[in-house]
Amino acid sequence: NAGVMQNPRHLVRRRGQEARLRCSPMKGHSHVYWYRQLPEEGLKFMVYLQKENIIDESGMPKERFSAEFPKEGPSILRIQQVVRGDSAAYFCASSSSGQGNYGYTFGSGTRLTVV
Amino acid sequence: RKEVEQDPGPFNVPEGATVAFNCTYSNSASQSFFWYRQDCRKEPKLLMSVYSSGNEDGRFTAQLNRASQYISLLIRDSKLSDSATYLCVVNPRGSARQLTFGSGTQLTVLP
Repeated sequence: NAGVMQNPRHLVRRRGQEARLRCSPMKGHSHVYWYRQLPEEGLKFMVYLQKENIIDESGMPKERFSAEFPKEGPSILRIQQVVRGDSAAYFCASSSSGQGNYGYTFGSGTRLTVV
Repeated sequence: RKEVEQDPGPFNVPEGATVAFNCTYSNSASQSFFWYRQDCRKEPKLLMSVYSSGNEDGRFTAQLNRASQYISLLIRDSKLSDSATYLCVVNPRGSARQLTFGSGTQLTVLP
């Protein structure tokens, strides 16, 4: 029973390129959350999605960042025209419902380095 | 004021010691509370939920004081493998949106 799968584990991009981070939720989970962890900082909420819907994107930067969770396939976090400040660990989590009473399980994360 | 505040540490304790971490949260309407553990360069992992009545899981005891908006984690008989960063997590609105993480408290258990 695979957990939350994220790929790639490590991603290096030059400034100005695009980064695409993928997240496959646990089997049976239809709620996905993306968090970002900057070096030496705590996790910050970015976006909460259900299949084909963005429920809460209040943590997403206004520009260059977008997320989707299509009917088929993984959730994608897309960062256009990356800058050095985008270098961080990006974690995805999933749950079977929109209730946070039980916490949720994270994937291993994608470490983005912008050079 | 941060939504969730923790002492960053580091806490360096000998094996077998008892260590306690504290956390305060600002939103009095918060519904759910958790402790997560994060090893270096790994993902956070749920350690335990925190209930008003207090709860225990082996060597770990968590307490919640809603009146003071204060959460604690007690680790007894520390093991080397307990070395990690401990994250206090609050669910401010009773939904899965925006679990709010503290910056974490770093623990090193020394042989």
